[in-house]
Amino acid sequence: DTAVSQTPKYLVTQMGNDKSIKCEQNLGHDTMYWYKQDSKKFLKIMFSYNNKELIINETVPNRFSPKSPDKAHLNLHINSLELGDSAVYFCASSRQTGEGIQYFGAGTRLSVL
Amino acid sequence: QKEVEQDPGPLSVPEGAIVSLNCTYSNSAFQYFMWYRQYSRKGPELLMYTYSSGNKEDGRFTAQVDKSSKYISLFIRDSQPSDSATYLCAMSSPTGANSKLTFGKGITLSVRP
Repeated sequence: DTAVSQTPKYLVTQMGNDKSIKCEQNLGHDTMYWYKQDSKKFLKIMFSYNNKELIINETVPNRFSPKSPDKAHLNLHINSLELGDSAVYFCASSRQTGEGIQYFGAGTRLSVL
Repeated sequence: QKEVEQDPGPLSVPEGAIVSLNCTYSNSAFQYFMWYRQYSRKGPELLMYTYSSGNKEDGRFTAQVDKSSKYISLFIRDSQPSDSATYLCAMSSPTGANSKLTFGKGITLSVRP
C-alpha cells in the first residue's frame, strides 16, 4: 500500500492549458508539501500545508494554486502552463511542519510543449 | 552564495570502493541534516538523519556533521551497483511554522560492477 501516491505519473500538454496533479497520503501525517525538481535534479519546495492550512508559499507564480480538502490530500492546479513549468513535481508528507523525515511520492513528470 | 552547496557530479566508482559525498552550507541555524537517495524515476527516500554535530552509522553508510566547518559528509563503504542513484543532502532549522528542508543540487553516483 503506497504511503504517498500522486496522479498522474506523466502529463504532456500544450502551452496555455490548465492541469491538475493529485496527491494522497495514508500515513496520518499533518503536513504535506509540493516540490519541483528541475532537469538538473535540483529539488525546491513550492508549498507546505499543515492540517489543510497553507504554511509556506515559496514565491511561486500565482498560476500555481494548491488546495487541501483534508489533511490526507493536497492537490496542485496549474493555470496557463508555460514551457518553464516542465519539471518533475513531487508531493511529500511529514508528521509535522518542516520535519526532516519526509516521505515522497513517485513524482509527476510534466512536459509542456 | 547558495545556502547549500553539494559537490558536482557525476561520480563513477568500481564496486567495493569507498564513496565520500559532501555538502557545505552557510546557514548556521541548520540543526537537522539528512541524506536522501533517489533512484532513477523515483521519489527521494530518506537514507540518513542526524541532529547537530557528530557521526551516525547505519550498515555500510556513515553520516558525519561538522557544524563548526558547516560541512556534512556521507560515506558509503563496500559500494554496490545497487547504490547507483542520486544522493541529495538536505538541512533544516528547528521545526516551526516556517521550517523547511533546503536541498543540495544532488550528485549522481554510478557503481560499476
